[in-house]
Formats: sequence, C-alpha cells, structure tokens
Amino acid sequence: GAVVSQHPSRVICKSGTSVKIECRSLDFQATTMFWYRQFPKKSLMLMATSNEGSKATYEQGVEKDKFLINHASLTLSTLTVTSAHPEDSSFYICSADGGGRINEQYFGPGTRLTVT
Amino acid sequence: AQTVTQSQPEMSVQEAETVTLSCTYDTSENNYYLFWYKQPPSRQMILVIRQEAYKQQNATENRFSVNFQKAAKSFSLKISDSQLGDTAMYFCAFYASGTYKYIFGTGTRLKVLA
Repeated sequence: GAVVSQHPSRVICKSGTSVKIECRSLDFQATTMFWYRQFPKKSLMLMATSNEGSKATYEQGVEKDKFLINHASLTLSTLTVTSAHPEDSSFYICSADGGGRINEQYFGPGTRLTVT
Repeated sequence: AQTVTQSQPEMSVQEAETVTLSCTYDTSENNYYLFWYKQPPSRQMILVIRQEAYKQQNATENRFSVNFQKAAKSFSLKISDSQLGDTAMYFCAFYASGTYKYIFGTGTRLKVLA
C-alpha cells in the first residue's frame, strides 16, 4: 500500500516551453502533497506544499508563477514548469501524506527534467 | 527555525560490519518526529526508520536502529551487518507537527565494500 507514482520519469524540453509533471497516490487519498527539487548529490529542497482544493503554499524563493501547482483531487497533484530555462533542469520529487501512519510521507520515484 | 545537520558527507563500511551515521537537529518544538530515509541509485526515497520524539525507547527495524538523544538533539542511525544493498545516500529528516513540513539534512553517502 501507500504507492505514489510520477509521470513522466524523464522529460526533455526546449527552452521557453512548459512541461507538466503528474504525481498520483495510487491506493490512498492524499490530503497533502509536497514537491521537492533535488540538485545532483544534494539534499531535497521543499518547493511547495499543496492541499486538495486550495492554493499551494510556496517556500521562500520559489516563484509561484513559474512553478504552477494544482491539486485538483485527492489522488492527483501536478507541477507545471512554465517557460522552462536550462537552470530549471533538475530532479523533481513529489510526496504524499495521508496514506498510512500519522506524519509519514510517501515518495514518488522522481522526474528528471532536462531543458535544452 | 528548524535545522538538520549531517556532518559526514561520505562514509564506507566493510560488508557485515556495523556503521553509525550521525544527525543533529535544532528545534524549539516539543512535538516532532525524526526519520531516516535511504536514496539508492534509483533515486527512489525509501523510509528506513522513524522515531517519535515523545517516545524514550529507541526505534529498531531489523538491522537498523537509532540512538535518539533528545536533550542533545541527536539522532544517529546504526546499520548492523551491513549489506551491499545498503549502499545509498541516507537523509535524516525532521517533522514538527506545528509546521507541517519536513526538513532534510544534507545527506551521507554510504558505500558498503565487498
């Protein structure tokens, strides 16, 4: 139980285009989902917290107009990187809360974004 | 603000030996949770062990155990009988109920040697 999927696992896009990453909780309802960014050999940096049906809460320094987050249902959250630039290339990981033990999050497998 | 510090960027251990990974944290919260996550080369984050701050007993999961020193704000992970599959990046993480966010340490890269 408590499986989180991400799609796509890898994506390459051209500079200036937008790309959407989906995060799904497959066997539980996630009231809250988290989006992280991970640079090579670095830790996870929390970008934003999204709650179903409400606006996401962004961490300081994260541009909300660039990283659009939508949490339309209890099993799906999406991250859209708008007008992507090469510096947006990174590993993006989502996690979901609410599937099991209290205060425990379940991670997706991550999405490798490369902007050319 | 909460901080999590892992002072060992890299460590190595011989197969079947025991290794301890260090983690310290800083918080003024009383109600919080601590976690160790493993990130193998596949990059999938895997929960290794968790500890509730209100519990005095150290958590144990098979070969993995923690030494939780609340007063010292220390939360180390001990891996016994190390296996090649334990090779991964290990992250210490902190969660305070009042903040509803997780804070991760910088990670320790562990390599188990055959």
